[in-house]
Amino acid sequence: SQQGEEDPQALSIQEGENATMNCSYKTSINNLQWYRQNSGRGLVHLILIRSNEREKHSGRLRVTLDTSKKSSSLLITASRAADTASYFCATEGFSGSARQLTFGSGTQLTVLP
Amino acid sequence: NAGVTQTPKFRVLKTGQSMTLLCAQDMNHEYMYWYRQDPGMGLRLIHYSVGEGTTAKGEVPDGYNVSRLKKQNFLLGLESAAPSQTSVYFCASSNTGELFFGEGSRLTVL
Repeated sequence: SQQGEEDPQALSIQEGENATMNCSYKTSINNLQWYRQNSGRGLVHLILIRSNEREKHSGRLRVTLDTSKKSSSLLITASRAADTASYFCATEGFSGSARQLTFGSGTQLTVLP
Repeated sequence: NAGVTQTPKFRVLKTGQSMTLLCAQDMNHEYMYWYRQDPGMGLRLIHYSVGEGTTAKGEVPDGYNVSRLKKQNFLLGLESAAPSQTSVYFCASSNTGELFFGEGSRLTVL
């Protein structure tokens, strides 16, 4: 079962514009993470936000978390063609000693030059 | 500076054949995972391990077995491959929550 669901499924923007992706989840979480996957490659970790945090920044990335709405958003500012990739949110729940992440189905971002 | 290495990268099997995917990490991570990725479905957890000698079932474990005899290696086995196991398989490792992924193993079962 998918814990996180990204919205939109696909997003196409012009270089220099901002891109916003949203993630909704169903159960309580310990943290939420965002990953990027370039075509044909493995996933790369972008940012982790803990359940007691509301906002986090990393370079051109801004992540927000609203635990009352069980949702998160990833904002990429001043996008570049190299940002073209699939973006996944992943939630870590409370499962004893195991750090299990549940991934959403992703947002395909295309940045046009 | 290898990180997480998966072998093989590509494999074609016939229905009923068996095979093993190998994952090796050089970061001394305790946790290791096997995911499969299918179009439109994101990643689904097959099996995972919280340390050497331990394994546990994830969301979609049927048809797969795993072993973690050494801390750095996590093996995923298919005893009798089925076309439904055609997928891209990703191994990942972790210590602190952030997952480090391999480049994937693309498996086709005919």
